[in-house]
Amino acid sequence: AQTVTQSQPEMSVQEAETVTLSCTYDTSENNYYLFWYKQPPSRQMILVIRQEAYKQQNATENRFSVNFQKAAKSFSLKISDSQLGDTAMYFCAFTLNDMRFGAGTRLTVKP
Amino acid sequence: NAGVTQTPKFQVLKTGQSMTLQCAQDMNHNSMYWYRQDPGMGLRLIYYSASEGTTDKGEVPNGYNVSRLNKREFSLRLESAAPSQTSVYFCASSEPTWSGGGTGELFFGEGSRLTVL
Repeated sequence: AQTVTQSQPEMSVQEAETVTLSCTYDTSENNYYLFWYKQPPSRQMILVIRQEAYKQQNATENRFSVNFQKAAKSFSLKISDSQLGDTAMYFCAFTLNDMRFGAGTRLTVKP
Repeated sequence: NAGVTQTPKFQVLKTGQSMTLQCAQDMNHNSMYWYRQDPGMGLRLIYYSASEGTTDKGEVPNGYNVSRLNKREFSLRLESAAPSQTSVYFCASSEPTWSGGGTGELFFGEGSRLTVL
């Protein structure tokens, strides 16, 4: 079964700066999908960004971008121009048949 | 715009009691999931249903049963609750990537906080 590892339990960043959250995964498959989800204190799960493994181009959504390294099985999330509203838990996820999540990184954006 | 609706939102049980968490989605998705979230452990998959009529175990299925009642509804049952099942439970649905046009994105309910004393 695929596994997802987030090695940074907590991170902090100053408002307006850039931060990168790390994620690695393990699979023997070639075609799969990767996601980053955000969970603010409201507990709601919100999709941040999605990446298809067959696409070499890194996905970008406004201030959020990924660095997808397929050979290294790495999928990091970069948040540019951090805002106070970015404070949340961030989960990396992998899907093939079902969806598996990492343990999460708690990000705090400081004013 | 109901999306994914799960009930109840809060429940307190005594050890040994049983209960069922209900989940319904109105997006005509094929796949549905039940996760539990515990501090420091992320979301762990309990069971999922890839399509109507099928269910499969996830990472932590022990102590739980599920029923995919129809395409819309997917319930989670605790037959004999234990304190270790104290958690926040999330139901989710998706249109899987194998369905041709599906994105695989999960749409989540608001979560159900269960406490077992």
